[in-house]
This record gives sequence, C-alpha cells and structure tokens, in this order.
Amino acid sequence: SYELTQPPSVSVSPGQTARITCSGDVLAKKYAYWYQQKSGRAPVLVIYEDTKRPSGIPERFSGSNSGPMATLTISGAQVEDEADYYCCSTDSSGNYGVFGGGTKVTVL
Amino acid sequence: EVQLSESGGGLVQPGGSLRLSCAASGFTFGSYAMTWVRQAPGKGLEWVSGVSGSGDSTYYADSVKGRFTVSRDNSRNTLYLQLNSLRAEDTAIYYCARVLDTSKFMPNYWGQGTLVTVSS
Repeated sequence: SYELTQPPSVSVSPGQTARITCSGDVLAKKYAYWYQQKSGRAPVLVIYEDTKRPSGIPERFSGSNSGPMATLTISGAQVEDEADYYCCSTDSSGNYGVFGGGTKVTVL
Repeated sequence: EVQLSESGGGLVQPGGSLRLSCAASGFTFGSYAMTWVRQAPGKGLEWVSGVSGSGDSTYYADSVKGRFTVSRDNSRNTLYLQLNSLRAEDTAIYYCARVLDTSKFMPNYWGQGTLVTVSS
C-alpha cells in the first residue's frame, strides 16, 4: 500500500489564501482529488482530476499537481470554508483508492 | 437528483457479521461504479471497497480484503457491503458513494452514512 501525506492543520485569516498540500509518489502519475468535510456532514468533492471544479463549487477553490505534490488553494478564504480537507488518489496499478490523513482548515 | 441512503448499521460483537445496503435513486444505477468509504470516530476517511457498474469487477483495501464483500443488484438499484469477521477497528460510519464518470474509485455523490459499532 502507499500513503498520501497532508499537514494536520492550516490556519488563515478571512480573505487570505490557504494552501493545503498532499504528497505521495503516485501523484506524479495519477490525478489528485479533494474533498471538503464539515463537522457531522458527508464529504463534498471540491476538486477533481487535479484542477477541475464541480458545478456549484466557488471559484476561490483551485487545484494543482506537480507530482509528487498536489495543492488545494482557497483564495480569499471565508469563515464558511472552515472544514477538514482530504486529498485522494488511486494506487499506481489502479487497484484501490487512498485518502490522505486530512487537513483541518481554520479561518479566523 | 442523485440520492443515496445507507442502512444496516448497528452494534455487533467482535467476530460477527453485518450487511450494509445503499439504496440509490435519481440516476441510472447500473451505469456507474460505486464505492464504500468509512470514517472511524474522530478519524479521517478511509477508502474501503469499489465495484464496477456491471458488478463484474470488485476492489478492496488491504485492511478489509478477505473479510468484506461488495456486491450490487442493478435491478433493485441497491449496493451492498457484507462485513464478516468484524473487529473493533472496523467501528466507523460507512458511506456509500457514486463514482465520478471518469474514475474507477473517486466518490462524487455521497450518502449520509450508517454507523457500525463493533464491541462486546
């Protein structure tokens, strides 16, 4: 098995830019996906295939991938962006999925 | 509107079994791969299992391989996860999710989850 590594926490002031990293060798070959999970709620997909944003996700969310590190950027973070964020990808053989450990984003 | 609703969770003793169900609506169920993801209390997300749209291909995390079995009934628009030989570390909320069109495993739409507690 392999791992995706994220920082445990990131703190940012409202209106500033938050950057959350996700590192793993497989990211040089596979896409990164990002999920937002607010307390007590199911996760929500915010970025897929490294850079794409699902409909309904605010433009302040963006992604990049320079394998082995992918980054989720929240430009002009809002208080409502406080949540846990998880990166996700697949193993190099495409046999299973893996989540990073998650990053708690605090906006205050 | 895509809707997913899990059921079947509960309290079970170590070594016991449970079958989780996920009822799907709002989309052509058999056209999409599906996946199970779990989250232990206060912990992060863990990918558990996936199944192709036809049900012919199944995939498992190493932590559950040989103990859990994923299946689907496309005529009933329902996804299943059979949990056997349960351990305390299997205690978690289990989410079912519909997979992105362009991916084999990556969840897009999620249910609200069902809690499995393994304890004596």
